[in-house]
Amino acid sequence: QKEVEQDPGPLSVPEGAIVSLNCTYSNSAFQYFMWYRQYSRKGPELLMYTYSSGNKEDGRFTAQVDKSSKYISLFIRDSQPSDSATYLCAMSARRDDKIIFGKGTRLHILP
Amino acid sequence: DGGITQSPKYLFRKEGQNVTLSCEQNLNHDAMYWYRQDPGQGLRLIYYSQIVNDFQKGDIAEGYSVSREKKESFPLTVTSAQKNPTAFYLCASRWGSEKLFFGSGTQLSVL
Repeated sequence: QKEVEQDPGPLSVPEGAIVSLNCTYSNSAFQYFMWYRQYSRKGPELLMYTYSSGNKEDGRFTAQVDKSSKYISLFIRDSQPSDSATYLCAMSARRDDKIIFGKGTRLHILP
Repeated sequence: DGGITQSPKYLFRKEGQNVTLSCEQNLNHDAMYWYRQDPGQGLRLIYYSQIVNDFQKGDIAEGYSVSREKKESFPLTVTSAQKNPTAFYLCASRWGSEKLFFGSGTQLSVL
């Protein structure tokens, strides 16, 4: 089993819909969870960061962590065509530990 | 304007040639990283450096070399021993936290 599993998509949704992106993981030591957004041929940019379990909200974005299920989610409300990108989940066990990335989910928001 | 600068944006390598990818940061971050990204493969760690004059191999270091003579600079050399070098290369930095900050990437192709 891979340490981090992420459905590659592509995921196509109409503009204005709620988008749900997910990752599962196998290492129960992971405590730090991140979501990166990457536009085509650009470097990833940090979108959301969460420590341990719980929810975090930032504008239209909400990150959720369920450590008991080893499952993390990113929700995008009122999706816009500009949200079309690849979304990478990432996680690590300690602050200075190696960060493990999912393979990324390609998201298309249809106008 | 703080950030990470990668150059060149596009690079072509002839067979048997070594090429060097540049990465410079003015964020005063201690740790720097090189990742390789292939379509559908996510990010794979090549080398990382936690401090000047020290670096460690990542998951796919064979055929690559690095140096860290200055805090600001972490160049990556793709040697002729790397038989499949075509990929998108990303440099990142990190300081005292879990969060990586990425450059805009270099696309390396083989002639």
